[in-house]
Amino acid sequence: EPEVTQTPSHQVTQMGQEVILRCVPISNHLYFYWYRQILGQKVEFLVSFYNNEISEKSEIFDDQFSVERPDGSNFTLKIRSTKLEDSAMYFCASSRDTMSEAFFGQGTRLTVV
Amino acid sequence: AQRVTQPEKLLSVFKGAPVELKCNYSYSGSPELFWYVQYSRQRLQLLLRHISRESIKGFTADLNKGETSFHLKKPFAQEEDSAMYYCALSFSSNTGKLIFGQGTTLQVKP
Repeated sequence: EPEVTQTPSHQVTQMGQEVILRCVPISNHLYFYWYRQILGQKVEFLVSFYNNEISEKSEIFDDQFSVERPDGSNFTLKIRSTKLEDSAMYFCASSRDTMSEAFFGQGTRLTVV
Repeated sequence: AQRVTQPEKLLSVFKGAPVELKCNYSYSGSPELFWYVQYSRQRLQLLLRHISRESIKGFTADLNKGETSFHLKKPFAQEEDSAMYYCALSFSSNTGKLIFGQGTTLQVKP
């Protein structure tokens, strides 16, 4: 069964450093998403991406964040200058269309020290 | 603003007991409601959605627009049902964005 794959599973970075979280969505899916979950809190929407552009973003997704689909398979989330409060589990998801089930990756735990 | 509320952080029941995980939402239009489940060390996966009206692993959920609720029920809990359950709302058919509740940990004791 096809799966959404995220790498790395855990990343530790120093405050102020740039990080790139990588995702390989399911191959025939057209809609891609990033969510995050700070420890003990709810899963929060960050951004949705379709047809090589952002279709919606949340207030959390400020200028420090960017997304890219650099080739036909990867979907990346970049945090330009990490802050302590960026420490969270980041989930990538993809779906065939906006009404179909979203399939989630296993998450990347980002720890900013 | 659109919101999903799951009032219970933890629900602990004995095997064979009925289970009801509560979910309330706030949205004035026609929402689409989902239940996602996360078993230990596994990824979030869809359990069921209101438009399909299915029963999955014995779980059902009915959308009650009057009470703005989408409670998840199972008549007889099994130990393998122990997991984190998230209620989620979609209302933006243009983007597929999901709004999640806080999640409820279901613990089924033997």
